[in-house]
Amino acid sequence: NAGVTQTPKFQVLKTGQSMTLQCAQDMNHNSMYWYRQDPGMGLRLIYYSASEGTTDKGEVPNGYNVSRLNKREFSLRLESAAPSQTSVYFCASSEARGTQYFGPGTRLLVL
Amino acid sequence: QKEVEQDPGPLSVPEGAIVSLNCTYSNSAFQYFMWYRQYSRKGPELLMYTYSSGNKEDGRFTAQVDKSSKYISLFIRDSQPSDSATYLCAMSRLTGTASKLTFGTGTRLQVTL
Repeated sequence: NAGVTQTPKFQVLKTGQSMTLQCAQDMNHNSMYWYRQDPGMGLRLIYYSASEGTTDKGEVPNGYNVSRLNKREFSLRLESAAPSQTSVYFCASSEARGTQYFGPGTRLLVL
Repeated sequence: QKEVEQDPGPLSVPEGAIVSLNCTYSNSAFQYFMWYRQYSRKGPELLMYTYSSGNKEDGRFTAQVDKSSKYISLFIRDSQPSDSATYLCAMSRLTGTASKLTFGTGTRLQVTL
């Protein structure tokens, strides 16, 4: 049972480049989330999907887009990366109103 | 002012000590309270989950919620070097079907031999 998986583990981008972070869960959870974690800021919610077919903005959505591809997969896209998006990105999933289970994270460096 | 406040530490204790980790919050609508443990370069993992006020024990870990004071605590008994990690408190309101969490910034704990 893999839980929540994320790819890639690490990525270096140049300013203006685009990329998509992938997330998949095998726990049959309805809800999925994308967070970023920065020193001194804690985990901040970027976007979430309460159920397949729906997505909503979180606390820090600017510069990001998401796609809930199916019940298992939820991707995060950076259309034009900026140095301020250098961070560690975590995907999580939960049952409705349940606790969240996190993936191992993607470390992104934007030069 | 942040909705959830947590002392960042670091907190250094000798092996076998009792550790107390705390968070305060300002929003009385929070009803679900969680503690996550995060090892260096890993994702957060759920340690404890409580609903409303009271205590919950799981092995060496005890979670305590005092809603009247807007204060939650995590106690670790007989601390071990393997407990060295960052501990994140998190809490959520009852809104919709997704469990949107608000996190503290985390307390870094170091348990020394």
